[in-house]
Amino acid sequence: KQEVTQIPAALSVPEGENLVLNCSFTDSAIYNLQWFRQDPGKGLTSLLLIQSSQREQTSGRLNASLDKSSGRSTLYIAASQPGDSATYLCAVIPGGYQKVTFGTGTKLQVIP
Amino acid sequence: ETGVTQSPTHLIKTRGQQVTLRCSSQSGHNTVSWYQQALGQGPQFIFQYYREEENGRGNFPPRFSGLQFPNYSSELNVNALELDDSALYLCASSLDSSYGYTFGSGTRLTVV
Repeated sequence: KQEVTQIPAALSVPEGENLVLNCSFTDSAIYNLQWFRQDPGKGLTSLLLIQSSQREQTSGRLNASLDKSSGRSTLYIAASQPGDSATYLCAVIPGGYQKVTFGTGTKLQVIP
Repeated sequence: ETGVTQSPTHLIKTRGQQVTLRCSSQSGHNTVSWYQQALGQGPQFIFQYYREEENGRGNFPPRFSGLQFPNYSSELNVNALELDDSALYLCASSLDSSYGYTFGSGTRLTVV
């Protein structure tokens, strides 16, 4: 059974800081890993998708890496802004349309 | 692309009642999955449909059921509602897991 853990559960940083969010998973036989952002009471917005053949993906100030052998992914946010305040979720996607497993998220607060 | 849309956005039901939640998938996406997200938790997989057939189910009782239609829309039905069914229900669609999942904004269900 796949288990996904995100550390830290909550994080508060001053504006402008660079930060790293961590996601670990127990079964390395994954297909893809996807990072999402969720604003309070809202749906999930996809940030980055890392396919199994890739090591990292970048979009603007965001960079996500994937190390399947160690069961870890990190999301790096550069020069954080108050608008980055949200909960960040990682989702492990197995192959064959099997169930996607989410972590419990990291709640980020960026203080102006 | 029109994204994934869910209706209604909010719903209040009484314990014991039945509810139907609706989702319109992104055009061409032949896979739809449903998730339940309790407050402060990550989304939990309910079930998934591929080309109108259920092809995966999480740890949810049979009173949670679904349908997928040829026009890329789908439904989540919950019978005999319980207070613990109060949650945000999310729908996600995918063309192929290589491309990741696109989520809707969710339906907030409150059972009183």
